[in-house]
Amino acid sequence: DAMVIQNPRYQVTQFGKPVTLSCSQTLNHNVMYWYQQKSSQAPKLLFHYYDKDFNNEADTPDNFQSRRPNTSFCFLDIRSPGLGDAAMYLCATSRAGTAGETQYFGPGTRLLVL
Amino acid sequence: DQQVKQNSPSLSVQEGRISILNCDYTNSMFDYFLWYKKYPAEGPTFLISISSIKDKNEDGRFTVFLNKSAKHLSLHIVPSQPGDSAVYFCAATHSGNTPLVFGKGTRLSVIA
Repeated sequence: DAMVIQNPRYQVTQFGKPVTLSCSQTLNHNVMYWYQQKSSQAPKLLFHYYDKDFNNEADTPDNFQSRRPNTSFCFLDIRSPGLGDAAMYLCATSRAGTAGETQYFGPGTRLLVL
Repeated sequence: DQQVKQNSPSLSVQEGRISILNCDYTNSMFDYFLWYKKYPAEGPTFLISISSIKDKNEDGRFTVFLNKSAKHLSLHIVPSQPGDSAVYFCAATHSGNTPLVFGKGTRLSVIA
């Protein structure tokens, strides 16, 4: 009974070739988050959706976009991946997005850029 | 500029002994602190949290201590078990629906 599902678990793309990572949830949570985690670094929030409201972090590059077509699904689009975008991408959800609320994470998608 | 710091990348502890994982923060606005645990090939899972109105929160073998004046918190695991071997992330946030800020994590190895 998986709760936050990320596909694929591993993604290989070429430099400059657009790539989409997907996340789905069975929790019916209002908020969905995308984090980027590079090796030995802290997970870094890229953006999040509260329902359909999109919230971009100030330092998230324009190269990164997101879509949330419905409550269950959220996509991360990288328009022109660079070598520096190779990382683990974590999707998370929370019920209401309030301070201190538990976030539920998916297993992550590891992106490799050749 | 790291707002949440976990200065020990790794820690080894013998089974049955106490594990103490430390976390420091710089933003005095933070008032909720959470610990997440991550096994290889899995996403982080919530472990325990504490709000700034408390200085201790306990859940079974896990206790989190908060020292607001020092901007420091610690996670104690006692007794440590081999299944506790994982990466532990400290995270902080403050009221107003602000996002979590994570530390870099500490890899705990519990040796049988």
